[in-house]
Amino acid sequence: SQTIHQWPATLVQPVGSPLSLECTVEGTSNPNLYWYRQAAGRGLQLLFYSVGIGQISSEVPQNLSASRPQDRQFILSSKKLLLSDSGFYLCAWSVLSEAFFGQGTRLTVV
Amino acid sequence: QKEVEQNSGPLSVPEGAIASLNCTYSDRGSQSFFWYRQYSGKSPELIMFIYSNGDKEDGRFTAQLNKASQYVSLLIRDSQPSDSATYLCAVTSGNTPLVFGKGTRLSVIA
Repeated sequence: SQTIHQWPATLVQPVGSPLSLECTVEGTSNPNLYWYRQAAGRGLQLLFYSVGIGQISSEVPQNLSASRPQDRQFILSSKKLLLSDSGFYLCAWSVLSEAFFGQGTRLTVV
Repeated sequence: QKEVEQNSGPLSVPEGAIASLNCTYSDRGSQSFFWYRQYSGKSPELIMFIYSNGDKEDGRFTAQLNKASQYVSLLIRDSQPSDSATYLCAVTSGNTPLVFGKGTRLSVIA
């Protein structure tokens, strides 16, 4: 069966510090991978998605970036965090239409 | 811009009643429709999907789709306190990322 691992679960980072969130999927090949963000009281905002290694589509211009160095690995990064980057970050995978989410990372930028 | 609209709630229903959650979408090319349940502080969990007009039943859950009206709903029969959560509607037009509504918060009162 397929599983998705996302870490860390919680993170507190100062403004201006770098960020790296990692997500890996097991039990499937060539999945579509996604990074969503959910701010307090708001819906799920698609940040990046990838249909293959090295193929990244950005949905929202911001100071975040994503990379897919391996088929089942997806990384979200920032060089300098802003207060507005706080939120609940969710990695997800899909093969068909439906998406399955990791446990999420709650990021607080202070 | 593709949009998915949901009443934010909270929707309060007594235990044992039917909860009715509604969703409208703007993209007439949408083909696949999903309902996710999200408990507070947790990641979304897929509970239902529907692709064709009409009803689809799975246990206490029934999804209803009307493409002509661009409307999808979720009925929860015999609501239980454990059903208290935020329910997210998601839509895709094919091999594109899911677009999510902001969710409806459901509260089942014992």
